[in-house]
Amino acid sequence: AQSVTQLDSQVPVFEEAPVELRCNYSSSVSVYLFWYVQYPNQGLQLLLKYLSGSTLVKGINGFEAEFNKSQTSFHLRKPSVHISDTAEYFCAVSDGNDMRFGAGTRLTVKP
Amino acid sequence: DAGVTQSPTHLIKTRGQQVTLRCSPKSGHDTVSWYQQALGQGPQFIFQYYEEEERQRGNFPDRFSGHQFPNYSSELNVNALLLGDSALYLCASSFGPGAYYGYTFGSGTRLTVV
Repeated sequence: AQSVTQLDSQVPVFEEAPVELRCNYSSSVSVYLFWYVQYPNQGLQLLLKYLSGSTLVKGINGFEAEFNKSQTSFHLRKPSVHISDTAEYFCAVSDGNDMRFGAGTRLTVKP
Repeated sequence: DAGVTQSPTHLIKTRGQQVTLRCSPKSGHDTVSWYQQALGQGPQFIFQYYEEEERQRGNFPDRFSGHQFPNYSSELNVNALLLGDSALYLCASSFGPGAYYGYTFGSGTRLTVV
């Protein structure tokens, strides 16, 4: 079975600074990887996904992630964050059957 | 284009009672997955329905059961509610039983057990 570890439970950062949210996964088969964002009292919104091909994936709101198979990682990055990026971010992995999530990283952007 | 619709948005139940949560998938989607998200935690996979059958199941007791209807909508039933069942229950829909294209999530049902 696959699993996900998000290495930071909270990441505080100042507005316009770069940010990286770290995600490691484990799986015995090929995987598909996802990042979702959750704003307060809402469901999850897909930011980006890696299915195959280029290891650098670009998503919505200026986010991107890089798939590193040797390090089994899928870190999320943004070069310059805004106050509106404050939210909970979840990394998820699928083996093609179901999807499993990490515990989440709370990103807080400070003015 | 309607997304995933869940009802009710909030409800409060007493310990020992039974509850039914409902989900209508996004138009064009035929698979529904249910997740439980406790406060401050990531979503935990409960089960997935495809072609009106439970296809995958996470580590949840038999008190959690579900159903999928011919129009692809789904229900999650929880019997003998415990205080620990208090959580946000998320429904996600997809096209096909795998997660290849990712899931579209509803806004969830907030269940409080008192």
